[in-house]
Amino acid sequence: EAQVTQNPRYLITVTGKKLTVTCSQNMNHEYMSWYRQDPGLGLRQIYYSMNVEVTDKGDVPEGYKVSRKEKRNFPLILESPSPNQTSLYFCASSFPTGGTGELFFGEGSRLTVL
Amino acid sequence: QKEVEQDPGPLSVPEGAIVSLNCTYSNSAFQYFMWYRQYSRKGPELLMYTYSSGNKEDGRFTAQVDKSSKYISLFIRDSQPSDSATYLCSSGTYKYIFGTGTRLKVLA
Repeated sequence: EAQVTQNPRYLITVTGKKLTVTCSQNMNHEYMSWYRQDPGLGLRQIYYSMNVEVTDKGDVPEGYKVSRKEKRNFPLILESPSPNQTSLYFCASSFPTGGTGELFFGEGSRLTVL
Repeated sequence: QKEVEQDPGPLSVPEGAIVSLNCTYSNSAFQYFMWYRQYSRKGPELLMYTYSSGNKEDGRFTAQVDKSSKYISLFIRDSQPSDSATYLCSSGTYKYIFGTGTRLKVLA
């Protein structure tokens, strides 16, 4: 089954404790991206990657890191989480094909930072 | 001003009604326009995308883009309770911008 898999789905952590949210896709997609979704603010792009070793900032990259060492994986790293990073996070992937925006999303990871 | 603006609703309609969901955008460079549907506790799923101006129809759904007025619309005909969800409009190229979403409830 074609899918984007995120882990963990739910996480409660404390300020400053490094964490990684993993994202993996099995569709051989070149493009992958991370978003956070907050009430009243909608989905906002954190980082995106056009291909292996190619990443770029989205609209809200502060406090986050990413890496793309393999085509299928695109982990999101919070080096020192803060309460304002409490949010619902989504990973998405697609073939670039001119950037048509046909994104396939994961099920989401709900993060709470105390 | 956000690059993509969307009325958050909520919007409640009776079953069978025609639903109109709307967004405006500000960036003239946008070429692709997408509509996603998001059920509660799920990730968004792509409903339709259109390129430039014009209409695109898929079953009960019609997406419309008017580039002259920078207006994006999604029409749902014969709405069903299963259409109850949040609808997100989006545009951009690789760096995608989303509206805040309109919550729709179709009452049986």
